Amino acid sequence: DQQVKQNSPSLSVQEGRISILNCDYTNSMFDYFLWYKKYPAEGPTFLISISSIKDKNEDGRFTVFLNKSAKHLSLHIVPSQPGDSAVYFCAASGDDKIIFGKGTRLHILP
Amino acid sequence: GAVVSQHPSWVICKSGTSVKIECRSLDFQATTMFWYRQFPKQSLMLMATSNEGSKATYEQGVEKDKFLINHASLTLSTLTVTSAHPEDSSFYICSASPGWEQYFGPGTRLTVT
Repeated sequence: DQQVKQNSPSLSVQEGRISILNCDYTNSMFDYFLWYKKYPAEGPTFLISISSIKDKNEDGRFTVFLNKSAKHLSLHIVPSQPGDSAVYFCAASGDDKIIFGKGTRLHILP
Repeated sequence: GAVVSQHPSWVICKSGTSVKIECRSLDFQATTMFWYRQFPKQSLMLMATSNEGSKATYEQGVEKDKFLINHASLTLSTLTVTSAHPEDSSFYICSASPGWEQYFGPGTRLTVT
């Protein structure tokens, strides 16, 4: 039973446009959510996070939105740049554990 | 599919002892496995990258003699915390990569008393 789901395995977005990556979770006990970015042959790097008491957190081109009633979070990247092409993982933390989604591969098209 | 397990899920040990954590890819072969340390509500810290049959590549600041990594097969990597100290208490997570994808284990909570 997947507690954290990223239903889109891949996404292609034109350079300069907005990239929206989605993540759904099932456990309402999660109290912290994180997004990681991963390049091939490297480990994931932390991107942005959000506490469950907030519904939005912004850091430069990256914004994470949390909809607790829908158990849904999304990562917005605007404007998308070529260097944003990578795999993005969302993760949910709580009860002394962290659960990762399977990732979404983002392609930024020239 | 694509399940990664870790054993044990939690362990308590005395200061000065060594602890081994296993990471297994259950239904795929992983050419590369990663070991992380996760701090509460903070980012995942990559400790090392291991490729089957070769020595692990450690990140800067990670003591290779303290955190021994062995990647003996395409489905198993182990992390041994030697001479553990209370400051080593943390949540250790592994991930396995068959290609571009990466699948995470559930983590191991280590408490050193």
